[in-house]
Amino acid sequence: DTAVSQTPKYLVTQMGNDKSIKCEQNLGHDTMYWYKQDSKKFLKIMFSYNNKELIINETVPNRFSPKSPDKAHLNLHINSLELGDSAVYFCASSLGTRTDTQYFGPGTRLTVL
Amino acid sequence: DAKTTQPNSMESNEEEPVHLPCNHSTISGTDYIHWYRQLPSQGPEYVIHGLTSNVNNRMASLAIAEDRKSSTLILHRATLRDAAVYYCILRARVDQGGKLIFGQGTELSVKP
Repeated sequence: DTAVSQTPKYLVTQMGNDKSIKCEQNLGHDTMYWYKQDSKKFLKIMFSYNNKELIINETVPNRFSPKSPDKAHLNLHINSLELGDSAVYFCASSLGTRTDTQYFGPGTRLTVL
Repeated sequence: DAKTTQPNSMESNEEEPVHLPCNHSTISGTDYIHWYRQLPSQGPEYVIHGLTSNVNNRMASLAIAEDRKSSTLILHRATLRDAAVYYCILRARVDQGGKLIFGQGTELSVKP
């Protein structure tokens, strides 16, 4: 059973479109995250949700809107896609918000043309 | 946030031990030392963590210097599957929302 899953795995779209990436975890964790890995392989936190509440928003453009319908899901919606949004997006989850181990999904490779 | 310094890349031969160093001279007394790795085309995965004492698990060992300003991740017998980018990350015990702050990491290549 996959602990943290993301859909889709690949997403190719045109500039200006709106797209969503979905994430689900079956670990019973309270906290979920979105990270972005750019073309230089640099991994950076974007958002963190704990019990469906936003706790970290790392100066991400407001074109990015995370939504957590329940503790097991954290989706990422991106409006008006730009070329610079091309990256691999990773979802992760952890039991709590302190130093708990984070479990990552397989990533979604977004390519904006 | 306290910073870590790692070599950009290292090479190892298969079935030999590998020692991956990490410097963290500004570590505070309550910072945990965590290691994650990212295999090619996969998400990062947890390897090991520690506070003051050396730690062992099924994947690796973590040796922490007495002054805690450096640590070493030890893979006892490298396999081809261990080729990955290894990240040394300090995590404050004080609640900062749980975020992981990744540096550049060390890219480990393993030769058969």
